[in-house]
Order: sequence, then C-alpha cells, then structure tokens
Amino acid sequence: QQQVKQSPQSLIVQKGGISIINCAYENTAFDYFPWYQQFPGKGPALLIAIRPDVSEKKEGRFTISFNKSAKQFSLHIMDSQPGDSATYFCAASANSGNTPLVFGKGTRLSVIA
Amino acid sequence: DAGVTQSPTHLIKTRGQHVTLRCSPISGHKSVSWYQQVLGQGPQFIFQYYEKEERGRGNFPDRFSARQFPNYSSELNVNALLLGDSALYLCASSLVDRGTEAFFGQGTRLTVV
Repeated sequence: QQQVKQSPQSLIVQKGGISIINCAYENTAFDYFPWYQQFPGKGPALLIAIRPDVSEKKEGRFTISFNKSAKQFSLHIMDSQPGDSATYFCAASANSGNTPLVFGKGTRLSVIA
Repeated sequence: DAGVTQSPTHLIKTRGQHVTLRCSPISGHKSVSWYQQVLGQGPQFIFQYYEKEERGRGNFPDRFSARQFPNYSSELNVNALLLGDSALYLCASSLVDRGTEAFFGQGTRLTVV
C-alpha cells in the first residue's frame, strides 16, 4: 500500500518556467512533509519541509503548498533552471517525526533551455 | 563539516553471499536510519537506531540486520543475498531520536549477480 502518491512521474519545463509536483497522502497521523532532491549517483538532499500548522512555506525559488483538508501538498519551483534537473521526492512522517520517512515514487524533472 | 559518509560506494556480490555496509553519521547526530532505494523508486525504510538501540524496523526479511556502535556509526548486514537486493542503500542521520531533518549519505550501490 503506497502511503504517499506522487505525480507526475516525469516533467519537462522550459527554463524560467514553474515546475509543480504534487503529492497526496492518506495517513492523517502524518505531521511532517519534506521534499528531497536527488541527482544521479547521489543521495537525496533535503530541500524544504513543512508542518501542517502552516499552509505555505517558501525558501528562495522553492515553495511548498499544503492543503490539510485535501491531504495534499505540492512543490513549486519558480524560475526553473537547468541545474534544477533532478529527481524530486516528497515524503511524510508521523508523531512529530518520530516515525520513519515514507517516500513517494519520485518525479524526474528536466529543465530545458 | 563532514556530512554522512558511507562505505563502500559500490559493491558487486554474488547470490548467496553476505554483505556489510557502513555509515558514519554527521558529528553530533545520534540517530541513524537505513533505507533501500530500488532503481526508479523512492527510498524504503529498513531500520532506525538511536543510542545503539533499534527503534524501528521496516518490512524487510530477517536476512537484513543492523547495529549501531558507541561512536554512533552503524553497519547494515544482509545475508544470503538475492538478485532483488540490488539497490542503492542509503544511510540517514538526524540530531535526535526523530525522523525529521534526516540527512542522507551518497549511498552504497549494491549489485548482486
């Protein structure tokens, strides 16, 4: 049973455009939602994270939008650059982070010039 | 500061063999978790250790075991390797006994032939 559903599987965006990746979850106990960026041959790197007490969090060009009632959250990458081309994973954990991370299947983003 | 370091980076083993993977957490981090990432999928939780005690185990067979040492480094052992064990094995460390703000190493790419 996949607890975190991520879409799309792959995404191609023009340089300067907005990349949007969506995730949905079922477990209402989840209370921590990070996004990770992974380049080929590397481990995932923490990008940005949100807790359900806020609906949006912005760090530079990266924004997480969170909809608690819909049990959905999304990553927006503004002014996408070729260097953003990577695989992005959403994740979730419960009990104030005392449970392991549950990851989505990932979205492969390609930013083309 | 050094991040999470894992060794070896690549490994090729034959079916039925045993393998030991090693992880050194970020200095000051006492919690270590192990994840398996199959090609094209998100990481899946295997084990979490904190202060040398197992704090969580994912849905993996008993062929998988782990331990944490007094210096908080950890090793993951897999016995009787199967072809399906081929994956990227990731170690993540966090500051305290929680899954949030987990920082991943570059992983060990295990290939079973």
